[in-house]
Amino acid sequence: DTAVSQTPKYLVTQMGNDKSIKCEQNLGHDTMYWYKQDSKKFLKIMFSYNNKELIINETVPNRFSPKSPDKAHLNLHINSLELGDSAVYFCASSQVGGSNYGYTFGSGTRLTVV
Amino acid sequence: AQSVTQLGSHVSVSEGALVLLRCNYSSSVPPYLFWYVQYPNQGLQLLLKYTTGATLVKGINGFEAEFKKSETSFHLTKPSAHMSDAAEYFCAVSGTASKLTFGTGTRLQVTL
Repeated sequence: DTAVSQTPKYLVTQMGNDKSIKCEQNLGHDTMYWYKQDSKKFLKIMFSYNNKELIINETVPNRFSPKSPDKAHLNLHINSLELGDSAVYFCASSQVGGSNYGYTFGSGTRLTVV
Repeated sequence: AQSVTQLGSHVSVSEGALVLLRCNYSSSVPPYLFWYVQYPNQGLQLLLKYTTGATLVKGINGFEAEFKKSETSFHLTKPSAHMSDAAEYFCAVSGTASKLTFGTGTRLQVTL
């Protein structure tokens, strides 16, 4: 199936740990994104990569580091997890000039920090 | 900069009634506008989009939206609500560098 896939779907971890979320798309899109959805359902962009290059880096703590080994993958690594990092993280992708076409979203990773 | 305001964080309608979800936008350039739907514990699915051309756009599941530049609005409607329409709906506007800015969402409840 053509899609944006994220792993894991659920992630429960203790404060201070380091964790990664993986994202892959097989749609042939050039641009990928990470969004954070908080407990009030608010969606905020974190990062965007176009063909492996960082093009959007919103005000996100340095503990969050995206990595794009190729244009089909965009992983998110989080160091020293904090309680406030608990949220649902969505990966998305789009064609070049993506905002004109809309995004395709993954099903999300629910991160719970305890 | 772009921004979106969704009026009403929660809307409740009876099954078979008209659905109207409101969205107003602010954009320094001609906007591209989108509506997404999120079902519980799922990702976001594109309902419809306005880029250029016809201002009344039709989407999936019987939804449609009309771009009104004079009112800076892009309200989502459906003539007859179905129980399966219950979900969270997000309006979004495109910005620079392919960035989509989302509204705060409207939860649609459909009652019998």
